[in-house]
Amino acid sequence: EADIYQTPRYLVIGTGKKITLECSQTMGHDKMYWYQQDPGMELHLIHYSYGVNSTEKGDLSSESTVSRIRTEHFPLTLESARPSHTSQYLCASSGTPGTDTQYFGPGTRLTVL
Amino acid sequence: KNQVEQSPQSLIILEGKNCTLQCNYTVSPFSNLRWYKQDTGRGPVSLTIMTFSENTKSNGRYTATLDADTKQSSLHITASQLSDSASYICVVSDRGSTLGRLYFGRGTQLTVWP
Repeated sequence: EADIYQTPRYLVIGTGKKITLECSQTMGHDKMYWYQQDPGMELHLIHYSYGVNSTEKGDLSSESTVSRIRTEHFPLTLESARPSHTSQYLCASSGTPGTDTQYFGPGTRLTVL
Repeated sequence: KNQVEQSPQSLIILEGKNCTLQCNYTVSPFSNLRWYKQDTGRGPVSLTIMTFSENTKSNGRYTATLDADTKQSSLHITASQLSDSASYICVVSDRGSTLGRLYFGRGTQLTVWP
């Protein structure tokens, strides 16, 4: 079991609200990632980070933003949630010596009404 | 265009039976291929990883094969158990960038019935 955590696990919120999805890992990994996954569809990379103060946009355009102030913490923020943001958000990290395997958190299921 | 295609989309089998899931990819240059298991409402968990030179890799009742020439992989599950019910995702990594870009299939949804 990977030591990577996401909170909340489920979130139902109204349109226009600001939300922050939390992700933390205790493995000391430098690289962290955020993916978006709709039911029955593939994961899409929306943000990634190589280390502290490093953030990059992924392949799928997203209105969310991320920050990496500490190695273990990689929160994702939506300034104004919309129904189109309804999805599952998965956080992952990598950096275990000898492998580039990404370890995933349990995900946050976001529903915007 | 780099893609990963999986088949079947869904599969139902009886407990104790074997099954094989397929993955075809067009990712180039190729670095490695992973099979992940994703339980409902959970994040994916890595089952196997294979590089270009590896043809087969086992992890308990899971055996993955790779044919890098035809760009095909399979995941064979023997003596299935109810806990095998999950989505199985094929993930291919390229070596064309420092990020080690991952390409995800849509997964095969496996249901094991008692």
